[in-house]
Amino acid sequence: QITLKESGPTLVKPTQTLTLTCAFSGFSLDSSGVGVGWIRQPPGKPLEWLSFIGWDDDKRYSPSLKSRLTITKDTSKNQVVLIMTNMDPVDTGTYYCARTVVPAKVGFDYWGQGILVTVSS
Amino acid sequence: DIQLTQSPSFLSASVGDRVTISCRASQGISNYLAWYQQRPGRAPKLLIYAASTLQSWVPSRFSGTGSGTEFTLTISSLQPEDFATYYCQQLNNYPRTFGQGTTLDIK
Repeated sequence: QITLKESGPTLVKPTQTLTLTCAFSGFSLDSSGVGVGWIRQPPGKPLEWLSFIGWDDDKRYSPSLKSRLTITKDTSKNQVVLIMTNMDPVDTGTYYCARTVVPAKVGFDYWGQGILVTVSS
Repeated sequence: DIQLTQSPSFLSASVGDRVTISCRASQGISNYLAWYQQRPGRAPKLLIYAASTLQSWVPSRFSGTGSGTEFTLTISSLQPEDFATYYCQQLNNYPRTFGQGTTLDIK
């Protein structure tokens, strides 16, 4: 059974740095082709793709957020961490992590439940 | 970035209706397109990938077609549980952009 779960602060102040952790089970980021991505959704708005990390440590970022994002993995802990700097109220939303299988181009087949992050002073 | 434009943005329909949602890509993406269903307050769920391949849990009333820049998601006979928001996502290039969504509600 594959599961993913996001964790981190639910309230951050403007200019602070957000660190989110995706803890997963049922698959390994050592397995060829497997990757984990981050997607966010402001309240009432569409999904926005943020970042991806692959089994081979390939890292991708949204061009509009690239300067603020860092993604890393810890395969021994089955975790992926997303860091977003200089948070702003417009970054308020639900942040999801999700699994993908890159060569198959199947999209995100398993999702975490999401974590609502509010940016406010 | 590849832009995905969904139409319509909102759709009112009745149980039993046949509905079609369109997704247009700003450049060709072969068949590298996925569709997701999202119910309020829930994470999205993958419905279809490779434009037309249904995930195992998806009922056969759902179908997807298209290639290149034009794609459609069709629900042949709406059921109450189908009223949700649907998103397309291109899987051809990074960033893996999403469409703006189509909300399907009960007429």
